[in-house]
Amino acid sequence: DAKTTQPNSMESNEEEPVHLPCNHSTISGTDYIHWYRQLPSQGPEYVIHGLTSNVNNRMASLAIAEDRKSSTLILHRATLRDAAVYYCILRDVGGATNKLIFGTGTLLAVQP
Amino acid sequence: DTAVSQTPKYLVTQMGNDKSIKCEQNLGHDTMYWYKQDSKKFLKIMFSYNNKELIINETVPNRFSPKSPDKAHLNLHINSLELGDSAVYFCASSLEGAATEAFFGQGTRLTVV
Repeated sequence: DAKTTQPNSMESNEEEPVHLPCNHSTISGTDYIHWYRQLPSQGPEYVIHGLTSNVNNRMASLAIAEDRKSSTLILHRATLRDAAVYYCILRDVGGATNKLIFGTGTLLAVQP
Repeated sequence: DTAVSQTPKYLVTQMGNDKSIKCEQNLGHDTMYWYKQDSKKFLKIMFSYNNKELIINETVPNRFSPKSPDKAHLNLHINSLELGDSAVYFCASSLEGAATEAFFGQGTRLTVV
């Protein structure tokens, strides 16, 4: 399973943009980049995913480097509710299992 | 209407007992999973079922036995519970494929005393 590397923790101020980085230097051509987050005392929640192009949805944007060895999750205006652990995960389209392998993630703290 | 629901939400039991956790999804997904989150908050996959067939069985003691009576349900039965089984167990479901979104339940906090 391809590995990802994320900072253990980050801090942001409310209503400011947040850029959460992820390195995945061993990514294969068929790996999708997924982001999930886990709010306190809740199950993980899907945020966004992409393959090669940048992606936007109502929750966030995903910027993928041209060589695909890194990506950045962008929260455009952080709110207190965005305080969570954010996981960057690679999911292989060629794998028979399609399992999500969680790493340690980035704990995002949002200050009012 | 909850997409992935688990019962019970909390479970406290004594060592040596047998217990079950139930999971149901109403999303029409064909793949379901069980994850374990330990006290250090690390999420580890345990099992995955696709169309009622077991496709992943990570290194989990055989005291843990998943059962999928139909595509919408994946239950987890645990025999001879041990202190180290205390954790939060999450059920999840998705459509098959790497570009699909997985939905997780709210978790079952199991405490073995």
